[in-house]
Amino acid sequence: ETGVTQSPTHLIKTRGQQVTLRCSSQSGHNTVSWYQQALGQGPQFIFQYYREEENGRGNFPPRFSGLQFPNYSSELNVNALELDDSALYLCASSHRTSIHEQFFGPGTRLTVL
Amino acid sequence: SQQGEEDPQALSIQEGENATMNCSYKTSINNLQWYRQNSGRGLVHLILIRSNEREKHSGRLRVTLDTSKKSSSLLITASRAADTASYFCATDENQAGTALIFGKGTTLSVSS
Repeated sequence: ETGVTQSPTHLIKTRGQQVTLRCSSQSGHNTVSWYQQALGQGPQFIFQYYREEENGRGNFPPRFSGLQFPNYSSELNVNALELDDSALYLCASSHRTSIHEQFFGPGTRLTVL
Repeated sequence: SQQGEEDPQALSIQEGENATMNCSYKTSINNLQWYRQNSGRGLVHLILIRSNEREKHSGRLRVTLDTSKKSSSLLITASRAADTASYFCATDENQAGTALIFGKGTTLSVSS
């Protein structure tokens, strides 16, 4: 167990809706990253947050947005859901001094119908 | 985005045998990591090897890194049924940003 928790575990939404996914970082970690993993693929980097600001972003449209809170927990928001947004969404936390050593939560499985 | 490539895509072995999987990447890196994923769940961090290291061990795991060939290998010795999972390599690709770049993974099946 990494100490990174995510909620909810599973979620079903319909096309056009909005969704919010949540992540609590491992104790002592101040950086959180979000990844999207489609079936049969490796995770793809969405963005990273440090000190409540976006600290890097992958090739995802603006309808993917995030927040980090003072306690280092984080949210991923996706607006105007599309069928291709169906995936496992993974949150990873790390410490700024070892930012690439990332520890993942169990993920949220999002299904868009 | 650029990704590493794991090879083979799938590997089936018997308990007690060794499993070797390989990873190639495209640009220079600061470090390379291996992760395990069971049945579409979260990724478990296995080992990190830095660009100035050539080999690293952790229990039954042995990782090598050849930066001249831009490749790494993960060896699992004396495999067990519980090792059945997908294995991914991830690199930072020496960028100022902080993303991990993953390959598509190797699916390992260990039968008893």
